[in-house]
Amino acid sequence: DAGVTQSPTHLIKTRGQQVTLRCSPKSGHDTVSWYQQALGQGPQFIFQYYEEEERQRGNFPDRFSGHQFPNYSSELNVNALLLGDSALYLCASSLTYYEQYFGPGTRLTVT
Amino acid sequence: AQSVTQLDSHVSVSEGTPVLLRCNYSSSYSPSLFWYVQHPNKGLQLLLKYTSAATLVKGINGFEAEFKKSETSFHLTKPSAHMSDAAEYFCVVSAEGSGGYQKVTFGIGTKLQVIP
Repeated sequence: DAGVTQSPTHLIKTRGQQVTLRCSPKSGHDTVSWYQQALGQGPQFIFQYYEEEERQRGNFPDRFSGHQFPNYSSELNVNALLLGDSALYLCASSLTYYEQYFGPGTRLTVT
Repeated sequence: AQSVTQLDSHVSVSEGTPVLLRCNYSSSYSPSLFWYVQHPNKGLQLLLKYTSAATLVKGINGFEAEFKKSETSFHLTKPSAHMSDAAEYFCVVSAEGSGGYQKVTFGIGTKLQVIP
């Protein structure tokens, strides 16, 4: 049984560009959450998707948007990239909110 | 308001000695509490969870944690450290937030160093 998978593993972008990160949840999970983990920090909640809708959102600007597809996979989009967006982006899936399973993350570097 | 405080940013122990990673939390509602481990360049792995059942929770790899409501603490322990335990550990609180959904808050992490 595959766990949570994320792509790409690493990504380098330039300020002002746009990026799309992808996540496939663990089999049977219907809820996907996205987190940003800056270097030396704990993960910060970006938003959560359930039934193809954004169910709740953390304190992130509208430049961060997402989508969930009918197969429960999800995308995270970031527009107008800033240097401060450089971080490890983690996707977590769950069937209930209490226990989340994390993917390996996508390392985004903005230059 | 909901918050998590991991009291030590770095902990260093010798192999074979006990491990104690400290976590205090604040929550307006009855929380669920978790410990996750993150090895370098890896995602997070769930070590153990407390969800209002037994206050002493046993997890994987010999770790356990005790929920103490009176002290608002959820410290992580292991009797004997192994070299493979060297990693970063995150304490997490989850409780009902606005809109009736669960709000999840991570601590800043404790980096565990194991000395041979």
